[in-house]
Amino acid sequence: AQTVTQSQPEMSVQEAETVTLSCTYDTSESDYYLFWYKQPPSRQMILVIRQEAYKQQNATENRFSVNFQKAAKSFSLKISDSQLGDAAMYFCAYRQQGAQKLVFGQGTRLTINP
Amino acid sequence: DAGITQSPRHKVTETGTPVTLRCHQTENHRYMYWYRQDPGHGLRLIHYSYGVKDTDKGEVSDGYSVSRSKTEDFLLTLESATSSQTSVYFCAIRRTGNMNTEAFFGQGTRLTVV
Repeated sequence: AQTVTQSQPEMSVQEAETVTLSCTYDTSESDYYLFWYKQPPSRQMILVIRQEAYKQQNATENRFSVNFQKAAKSFSLKISDSQLGDAAMYFCAYRQQGAQKLVFGQGTRLTINP
Repeated sequence: DAGITQSPRHKVTETGTPVTLRCHQTENHRYMYWYRQDPGHGLRLIHYSYGVKDTDKGEVSDGYSVSRSKTEDFLLTLESATSSQTSVYFCAIRRTGNMNTEAFFGQGTRLTVV
C-alpha cells in the first residue's frame, strides 16, 4: 500500500523568508500524481500545487515550488517570500494513476512569524 | 470554487443515533468522495462514487454507508454513531480529463458524537 510521510509536524518561518516542507512517499508504481494542499483555519482544503510523476520539470505556482525527486520518492514544497496568509496546515498527497483514492500525509503546521 | 456544499457544517449527536451528512455539487462531476480528517492521520477515504448508484468502499468504511441517487448529491450515513466517529468530514469531487486530476473539497462538517 502506498504511504505518505510528512516528518515535520510543525514548522515556523519569519515573514519574507523561505521555508521548505518535506514529504516522502512509498510506492511501487511509476505513474502517479503528487499534490500539496493548504488548510487554513477556515478548514477549507485548497490545492497549492500539483506534480505529474512523468514530468521531470518541477512544478511552480508563483511563490510555491516543489523539488520532486522521483528516485528518492521525495516531494518537498518550497514557499518563497513567506506571507502571514501562508500560515496553515499543509498536506502532501499522492494518487496513483487510474486510482480513486488520495493518500495523505499527516500534515505540517506552518507558522509565520511577523 | 468547485460548487460543493456540505450540510450541516457542524453537528453534535448522541451515541447510537443515526446521522446523515449531505454533499451537493452544482457542476455535474462524475466522481465524488467522502473523507474524514483526524489529527495525526491527515485525510482518509471513507467511500467514493463514480456515478449514480455506483459507489465503493475506501480504507475506513466500517460503520458508514453512502448513497447517490442523483448526480449532484452524495450522502454519508452513520447508522449508529459512535464516539470514534467524531471527526471532520470532507466531501470532494474530481474533475476528469487529461489535466484535471486533482480533487476539490467542500468546506467540511465537524461532527461530534457525545
